[in-house]
Amino acid sequence: AQSVTQLGSHVSVSEGALVLLRCNYSSSVPPYLFWYVQYPNQGLQLLLKYTSAATLVKGINGFEAEFKKSETSFHLTKPSAHMSDAAEYFCAVSDTDKLIFGTGTRLQVFP
Amino acid sequence: GAVVSQHPSWVICKSGTSVKIECRSLDFQATTMFWYRQFPKQSLMLMATSNEGSKATYEQGVEKDKFLINHASLTLSTLTVTSAHPEDSSFYICSAPSPSGGYEQFFGPGTRLTVL
Repeated sequence: AQSVTQLGSHVSVSEGALVLLRCNYSSSVPPYLFWYVQYPNQGLQLLLKYTSAATLVKGINGFEAEFKKSETSFHLTKPSAHMSDAAEYFCAVSDTDKLIFGTGTRLQVFP
Repeated sequence: GAVVSQHPSWVICKSGTSVKIECRSLDFQATTMFWYRQFPKQSLMLMATSNEGSKATYEQGVEKDKFLINHASLTLSTLTVTSAHPEDSSFYICSAPSPSGGYEQFFGPGTRLTVL
C-alpha cells in the first residue's frame, strides 16, 4: 500500500531563509506525488505534482520539489521564505484514484 | 477553472440534529467526489468516495449510517451527518478529481461543523 511520511511536524525559518520540507514515500508502483498547502480554515491548494515526467518539478509561489527514486523522497523547497508562506503543507501520494496524505508540516516564518 | 465549492462554510448545531453539507464542482463534471475529515492540527482522513448514481464507498471504520452520502448529479455530492454529537465536530473537506486526469484532486474550502 502507498504511504507518505513527513519528517518534522513543525518547521521554523526566518524570512528570506531556505525552506525545506521533507517527504518520503512508499509505493509499489511508480507514484504520482503531490504537495498541497492549507491556510487556516481553508481547503487545500495544489503547489505542485510529480507525474513521472521531469524529476524536478516547479510549482506555484516559488516552490519546487525533486523526485528522487533512490531515496524515495519528494522534498519541497523554496530558496527564500516569505511571511505569506506560513501555512500547513501536506505531501500526498496517489493510490489509484485516492490520495494518501502525510501528517502535515506546519511552516512558521519569522521576520 | 476546476473550482469546487462547499456549503455551508461553517455550521453550529445541537446534539441529536442532522446536518447536510453540499459539495459542488462549479465548472466541470465529477462522477466521483471524495469526503475527508480533518481534526485540529491533523491530516486529512478519507471518509468515503462518492459515486454519481450509485452507492458511496466508505473507508474502514466510517459509519455509513451516520455519514450519509448522496451523489445525485454530476456536479453535486452531499454529506449528511445524522444525529450529530460533539465528537462529530470537525472540519469536513470534499474534493473532486481533476477533469484532466493525473490523479490530481481539487478541494473545496471546507465546512467547519461544531456540535453543541
